[in-house]
Amino acid sequence: GAVVSQHPSWVICKSGTSVKIECRSLDFQATTMFWYRQFPKQSLMLMATSNEGSKATYEQGVEKDKFLINHASLTLSTLTVTSAHPEDSSFYICSAPQGKKGGTEAFFGQGTRLTVV
Amino acid sequence: QKEVEQDPGPLSVPEGAIVSLNCTYSNSAFQYFMWYRQYSRKGPELLMYTYSSGNKEDGRFTAQVDKSSKYISLFIRDSQPSDSATYLCAMGRGSNYQLIWGAGTKLIIKP
Repeated sequence: GAVVSQHPSWVICKSGTSVKIECRSLDFQATTMFWYRQFPKQSLMLMATSNEGSKATYEQGVEKDKFLINHASLTLSTLTVTSAHPEDSSFYICSAPQGKKGGTEAFFGQGTRLTVV
Repeated sequence: QKEVEQDPGPLSVPEGAIVSLNCTYSNSAFQYFMWYRQYSRKGPELLMYTYSSGNKEDGRFTAQVDKSSKYISLFIRDSQPSDSATYLCAMGRGSNYQLIWGAGTKLIIKP
């Protein structure tokens, strides 16, 4: 199957700093990517849809100025957590869809564990 | 009411047992259905993908879709400790790439 690479896999940062997470589709082009957040023992929560060449679409309750998304190319989307606070500590996962018969299939990155201290 | 309902568990079964995981949904527009497996602190990985009612088998895994009842299942035969993970169902419709996710069921296979 297709490969999505997410980097870094884990990061620790101080409160008030910004952290950038990269999501790359390695062997296919992705005009759309999704960014999820997952708290311990909970399911994936969609944060935003990243669209190549245009603005991201944010889900209700997600601060667009805090979670900056850039989708500058067909293979790269970035999520920047700005002015991070301890409550931003979470597991962030990106996915890129690929069309297939009958619908679509989502390929996921490895996830990024963010700890804000 | 959530669009997709999934019992979070945990579900604990002995090694070798047949496991049944289920999701129900309310939107009849869903056209394709998936099961993902997620190990702790890892991204989900696709196990099964189906877009029609009926059964689909892949090794020890069988995905079942009943569109009339809005019910999907994942069966795992000869379960093994390495199957211990969280299993998430997901579904989508049309050309919309956005998936709707279940809460995930934590499965524990006891040796």
